[in-house]
Amino acid sequence: EPEVTQTPSHQVTQMGQEVILRCVPISNHLYFYWYRQILGQKVEFLVSFYNNEISEKSEIFDDQFSVERPDGSNFTLKIRSTKLEDSAMYFCASSDRGTGAETQYFGPGTRLLVL
Amino acid sequence: AQSVTQLDSQVPVFEEAPVELRCNYSSSVSVYLFWYVQYPNQGLQLLLKYLSGSTLVKSINGFEAEFNKSQTSFHLRKPSVHISDTAEYFCAVRRYSGGGADGLTFGKGTHLIIQP
Repeated sequence: EPEVTQTPSHQVTQMGQEVILRCVPISNHLYFYWYRQILGQKVEFLVSFYNNEISEKSEIFDDQFSVERPDGSNFTLKIRSTKLEDSAMYFCASSDRGTGAETQYFGPGTRLLVL
Repeated sequence: AQSVTQLDSQVPVFEEAPVELRCNYSSSVSVYLFWYVQYPNQGLQLLLKYLSGSTLVKSINGFEAEFNKSQTSFHLRKPSVHISDTAEYFCAVRRYSGGGADGLTFGKGTHLIIQP
C-alpha cells in the first residue's frame, strides 16, 4: 500500500540554524500539507500546497517557513532560523483532491528538537 | 474558525470492555468530521469519517461514530476493545472547501489504554 514517507525521523539543531524537513507524498496525489504537534498540544495545520504554490496557510506559517516541491517526488518544509519554540513533531500529509471530504494520508513525522 | 474538544486525555479500559471517546466541535460553517488513530511510532491513519447521509459511520475494525448535529458531537465507540486498539485517537474537522485545500483542525487527542 502506498504511503507517505518523511526524513529524517529525528533532527536536533541549534537555535538560529536552518533546517529542511523532507517528505515524499503518495505518487498520484496532488495536494500536500504540513502539520506540527508541539509536545502535549494539538496537531496544528501549517500549510497546504497545490499546483506548485501555497493553497492555504495558518497564522503559524510566518516568513521563517517556506515550502517547496523541488522535483516530482519530494515536498520540503524549510525553517530559516529555528527558535526554541519550533521544537515539535512535524507531519507531512497528501491527498488526491482538495474538496475537504477526501482522506489526507499522513507520514510518520519528523521530531525536531531545537537547542 | 473551527475548534475541536476531546474531553479525555486518557481513557483506561479493560480488554473486551466497551469504550466511548468523546469529541465535540464548534464551527460557524458546515464541516466534515474525522477520527484518526496513531499507533506508536507511526503516522496518523484515518479511522472513519462523516461526510453526509446516515449519522452513524463505521470502520472496518469495529469502531463506530455518530454525528449529532444538535449536540455538535462526534463520539467514537467500540463495543469490545482489544489490546491492539491501544493508540492515540484524534478527532478532527475540516470545512467544506470549494477549491482550496484547508487543513484539518484537530482535538488534543485521547490516549486509549487497554488493560488486560
